[in-house]
Amino acid sequence: EAQVTQNPRYLITVTGKKLTVTCSQNMNHEYMSWYRQDPGLGLRQIYYSMNVEVTDKGDVPEGYKVSRKEKRNFPLILESPSPNQTSLYFCASSLITQGEMNTEAFFGQGTRLTVV
Amino acid sequence: GNSVTQMEGPVTLSEEAFLTINCTYTATGYPSLFWYVQYPGEGLQLLLKATKADDKGSNKGFEATYRKETTSFHLEKGSVQVSDSAVYFCALIDGGFKTIFGAGTRLFVKA
Repeated sequence: EAQVTQNPRYLITVTGKKLTVTCSQNMNHEYMSWYRQDPGLGLRQIYYSMNVEVTDKGDVPEGYKVSRKEKRNFPLILESPSPNQTSLYFCASSLITQGEMNTEAFFGQGTRLTVV
Repeated sequence: GNSVTQMEGPVTLSEEAFLTINCTYTATGYPSLFWYVQYPGEGLQLLLKATKADDKGSNKGFEATYRKETTSFHLEKGSVQVSDSAVYFCALIDGGFKTIFGAGTRLFVKA
């Protein structure tokens, strides 16, 4: 079954304690992305990756890091979480065809993070 | 820059009512347009899409037509069900590698 898997689904942590949210896809997609969803703001892109070892900032990258060492995995790292990073996070992947991305994004089920 | 504007919610309807959720966009080129749906506790999933002007996307009784002249992609359904209660997102890809989402519209359908 084609899917994007995020872990954990729920996480409560304290300010400053490093954490990693994992994301894995089994569709051999080149493009992967992280979003955060906040009430009234929709989805905002944090980072994206167009292939292995190729990553770039989205609209709200401050306080986050990513890596893409393998095609299937795209972890999101919060080195020193703060309460304003409390949010619902989604990982997504897409196929790039003929140098363009005009196909649907496949989303994970989300990670609800609370930083106290 | 490119953007997507959706009608604010929540939208509350009775079962079998007609649904319209408005979506307009701003883009420099000829974007592909999408509607995604998010059911409670889940991630977004594609509902329908259209990749060029006058295309109509349809799925599960939902429809949306790509109107370049009005830069719109309004979502419609003739008869909603309680199971359609969800958050609906309009989105575009502008020919690059970024999907731009609207803020989302929450739909409640009462039995």
